[in-house]
Amino acid sequence: QKEVEQNSGPLSVPEGAIASLNCTYSDRGSQSFFWYRQYSGKSPELIMSIYSNGDKEDGRFTAQLNKASQYVSLLIRDSQPSDSATYLCAVNQVNDMRFGAGTRLTVKP
Amino acid sequence: SAVISQKPSRDICQRGTSLTIQCQVDSQVTMMFWYRQQPGQSLTLIATANQGSEATYESGFVIDKFPISRPNLTFSTLTVSNMSPEDSSIYLCSVLPGPRQPQHFGDGTRLSIL
Repeated sequence: QKEVEQNSGPLSVPEGAIASLNCTYSDRGSQSFFWYRQYSGKSPELIMSIYSNGDKEDGRFTAQLNKASQYVSLLIRDSQPSDSATYLCAVNQVNDMRFGAGTRLTVKP
Repeated sequence: SAVISQKPSRDICQRGTSLTIQCQVDSQVTMMFWYRQQPGQSLTLIATANQGSEATYESGFVIDKFPISRPNLTFSTLTVSNMSPEDSSIYLCSVLPGPRQPQHFGDGTRLSIL
């Protein structure tokens, strides 16, 4: 079983729609959770961090964490073509970060 | 967040040669990592660079092929030795500033072997 699992996609949504990206993890001791965005040919950049159960909102992005279900999600509201990228879920057990394989998102105008 | 300078940004090398990639951080960090990423593929961790001791390599990667140095808390190098076309990839330096914090990535080194 992979430690961090994501649907590889590709996920395609129309402009203005909500994009929903999901991630599950295997280690119940995980303490911190992150979402990265990676444009083609670029390195991953951090877009969201979440540490406790519930929702965390930052602009058009909302991260959701459910530790009991070992589930993390990222919602992108009012999706824009510029949101087209690969989104990586990452889970940290103190000093040991594990990345999912990423979900490729395409937002169509 | 930490500012990471990775050099070179790209290089084209001859088969059988070696290339050393440098990673410099603007602040002391707990851990430094080296990743490889093929175009369109996921990140693959090569090794964790340990300050003052030998790097910790992931399965499938060995020190003779990918020697790593980390002389202090802000600097590390990755050498890709005896290169073959299969080593053509993007190599990424990443740092973990402290426990429970997010990792940050350098801009990467795009390496092509002829």
